Amino acid sequence: DQQVKQNSPSLSVQEGRISILNCDYTNSMFDYFLWYKKYPAEGPTFLISISSIKDKNEDGRFTVFLNKSAKHLSLHIVPSQPGDSAVYFCAARPYSGAGSYQLTFGKGTKLSVIP
Amino acid sequence: DAGITQSPRYKITETGRQVTLMCHQTWSHSYMFWYRQDLGHGLRLIYYSAAADITDKGEVPDGYVVSRSKTENFPLTLESATRSQTSVYFCASRANRNTDTQYFGPGTRLTVL
Repeated sequence: DQQVKQNSPSLSVQEGRISILNCDYTNSMFDYFLWYKKYPAEGPTFLISISSIKDKNEDGRFTVFLNKSAKHLSLHIVPSQPGDSAVYFCAARPYSGAGSYQLTFGKGTKLSVIP
Repeated sequence: DAGITQSPRYKITETGRQVTLMCHQTWSHSYMFWYRQDLGHGLRLIYYSAAADITDKGEVPDGYVVSRSKTENFPLTLESATRSQTSVYFCASRANRNTDTQYFGPGTRLTVL
């Protein structure tokens, strides 16, 4: 049973436009969410995160939105650049308990930004 | 500032052989993790460690063994490799229980023939 779902395996966007990557989760115990970016032959790198006490967090061109009632978060990249082409992973962790240091990852969405 | 490194970067082995993947971090982070990445599965946690000499199973631990005698090292051993363990393996570290960000190594691509 997949607790973090990224239903779009891939996404293509024109340079300069907005990229929107979506993530859904099923575990109501999750209260902290992270996005990672991964280039081929490299490890994932942390991009941005959001706590469940917020509904938006912004860092430069990257904004993450959280809708707790819908158990949905999204990553917006504006404007998209060719260097943003990568696989993006959504990850979540519960707020307490034995698993609170473990991250559960989605399957990833491959973003292609077309020049 | 070396950060977190993994060795080897690529490894080909045969079914039944023992293989050890190395992970080393220079930050003195308390937590370390091993993940595998497979098509259609994303990243799945194999084992983790909260401190030296403290390890525990993740989502997919079968067929793997870990140890952590020193804070900076967290080797992953496949005692008898199987074809289903062909994957890309990532090591990660996290500073302490008050932070959430995990920092990943570059990965080891393992092929079991």
